Parts: sequence; C-alpha cells; structure tokens
Amino acid sequence: ETGVTQSPTHLIKTRGQQVTLRCSSQSGHNTVSWYQQALGQGPQFIFQYYREEENGRGNFPPRFSGLQFPNYSSELNVNALELDDSALYLCASSLDRVGEKLFFGSGTQLSVL
Amino acid sequence: DQQVKQNSPSLSVQEGRISILNCDYTNSMFDYFLWYKKYPAEGPTFLISISSIKDKNEDGRFTVFLNKSAKHLSLHIVPSQPGDSAVYFCAARAYSGAGSYQLTFGKGTKLSVIP
Repeated sequence: ETGVTQSPTHLIKTRGQQVTLRCSSQSGHNTVSWYQQALGQGPQFIFQYYREEENGRGNFPPRFSGLQFPNYSSELNVNALELDDSALYLCASSLDRVGEKLFFGSGTQLSVL
Repeated sequence: DQQVKQNSPSLSVQEGRISILNCDYTNSMFDYFLWYKKYPAEGPTFLISISSIKDKNEDGRFTVFLNKSAKHLSLHIVPSQPGDSAVYFCAARAYSGAGSYQLTFGKGTKLSVIP
C-alpha cells in the first residue's frame, strides 16, 4: 500500500512568484485535503477536493487554488506569493469526504523571500 | 479566534508514568475529535479518535476522554515510552457544507518522555 507522497520536499521562491505543489494520494482514497502549517501553529485547512471538484474551502484567498486529477492526485497552486505564505504545506488523503481519518504526507516546506 | 486550544506548548514526563495532554474547544458544532502525533520531518499520523456521542475511547496505551459540557478532551498515555516523544495535535471535525467536513487543529503540545 503506497502512502501519501508530496513533492518537492523543499522550495524557495521570491515574493510575487507562483508555485505549484504536488500530492499523490494513498491508494483507494478519493478525497484530498490541503493544509498550511505556519511555524508554531497547527495545520490550517485550505480546501478539499473530491472526485476532481473543490468540495470545501477554509479562510484562504482565491490566489490559493487547486486541482484533482482522475487518479485522485492533486496540485496546490499559489499565485502572487507573499512572505506570510512561508509554511509547511501538508496534503492529506482519505477514503471519503467524511474525514474521520486523514493520512498525511510529509509536506512541502515553502520559503518565500 | 482559536476554536481548538492546546494551552500547554510542552510537557515532560518520566518513562513509565502517565502523560495527560489537554485540549479545549469552543464550537458546539464539532461532532468528532481526533488526536494526531507528529515526528520531525514527517506528516501527522492518526492516533485515536472519539465521537461526540461518547465520553471515552481506548486503544492500547492510549485513552481519550471527552467532557462535552466542559468542551474539553484529554489524551492519556499509560505507560509513557521514550518513543512517544513527539508533537501531539488535537483536532475537531465540523460539517463545512456540500457533503464535506473539515478539521480544525490546535497548536500542538510537544511531549518529551524522559528515560
């Protein structure tokens, strides 16, 4: 059974640039959620994708967008990067939208300079 | 406005003793509560959960207690082992519309188990 994998593991960007983060969900999971974890904070919900459609969104601006593909892998795109976007971005997959148990990847550490 | 609060950033416990991690919440719409454990350079891993209709759930050395009237839950680890040293996150689930649910996490408590 393959777990949740994320790429890249680390990324450095400058303010105003755009970034794409990738996630492969666990085998058999059709739902992917993205979380942002700032230093010293808990993970904060960005959005969830279910069967290729956005299916729930947290308090993040539209410059945070995503995609889910037919194989249930997912991308997180962030436009017009700001310094405060520096954080660990976590992808989590689950069997369904109910979210009783999420399986997390190791995350992508994004630094915006 | 923090809906899930873990007021202790860190906790140190001797090996073999009990570890008690606490969590408070404010949103009455939370219907399910989970604890996740996180080691450095890894993603959080699910540990144990409890439905809002129960007051206790046990899994081996781990027990979660829920006091709905006080909006408080706690995680007990007995006996504590050095491998339990990690950051523990409390999370609460609420319905967010369109058939989906989202988790709200606390800031975490770093547990250190001293051999």
